[in-house]
Amino acid sequence: SAVISQKPSRDICQRGTSLTIQCQVDSQVTMMFWYRQQPGQSLTLIATANQGSEATYESGFVIDKFPISRPNLTFSTLTVSNMSPEDSSIYLCSVYRDSNYGYTFGSGTRLTVV
Amino acid sequence: GENVEQHPSTLSVQEGDSAVIKCTYSDSASNYFPWYKQELGKRPQLIIDIRSNVGEKKDQRIAVTLNKTAKHFSLHITETQPEDSAVYFCAASRTDSWGKFQFGAGTQVVVTP
Repeated sequence: SAVISQKPSRDICQRGTSLTIQCQVDSQVTMMFWYRQQPGQSLTLIATANQGSEATYESGFVIDKFPISRPNLTFSTLTVSNMSPEDSSIYLCSVYRDSNYGYTFGSGTRLTVV
Repeated sequence: GENVEQHPSTLSVQEGDSAVIKCTYSDSASNYFPWYKQELGKRPQLIIDIRSNVGEKKDQRIAVTLNKTAKHFSLHITETQPEDSAVYFCAASRTDSWGKFQFGAGTQVVVTP
């Protein structure tokens, strides 16, 4: 069963800069998912990270703003580019763990853009 | 695409009472419905899920019911305890999009002693 570690856990960034978030899984998984949770809000799917192909983005999210890498079956990164205060959110990765735990989330990255 | 509506947005219950949260979905092809509990500052944790070939599932004090015809599903928590206080999210997914969830807006549950 997959256990997820995500880093950094939090960061405060200047507007206009970029931050790369890492998600490491302790077993191979086919698909990894990136979600955003804005303050006090629900979770919104950003994209599906596929190994060996480009990520699949949901409506409202574009590759230039949120480039994703998936170099192997245990690792993915999400970059938040050219940040603005509106990007302040918690970013979470998710993978399928097993029938008991279902789709499991990483611990999240709390991003604050100032 | 799928749209999931969740009610109520906040729910205050006395310890020992029951809590019920309801969600409706729009995509008739959705067939997997998990419920997540998120405590303050923590990641969402799966507490129970149900697939469309089942009408009800129970795990100790927690149960989920699904009405495919009406396209709604509900979370029931019995004998609530203070540690049940959290935000609860329902979600829906379909077989050809495993892992791609449409989440409800969330319900803040407060259990008062």
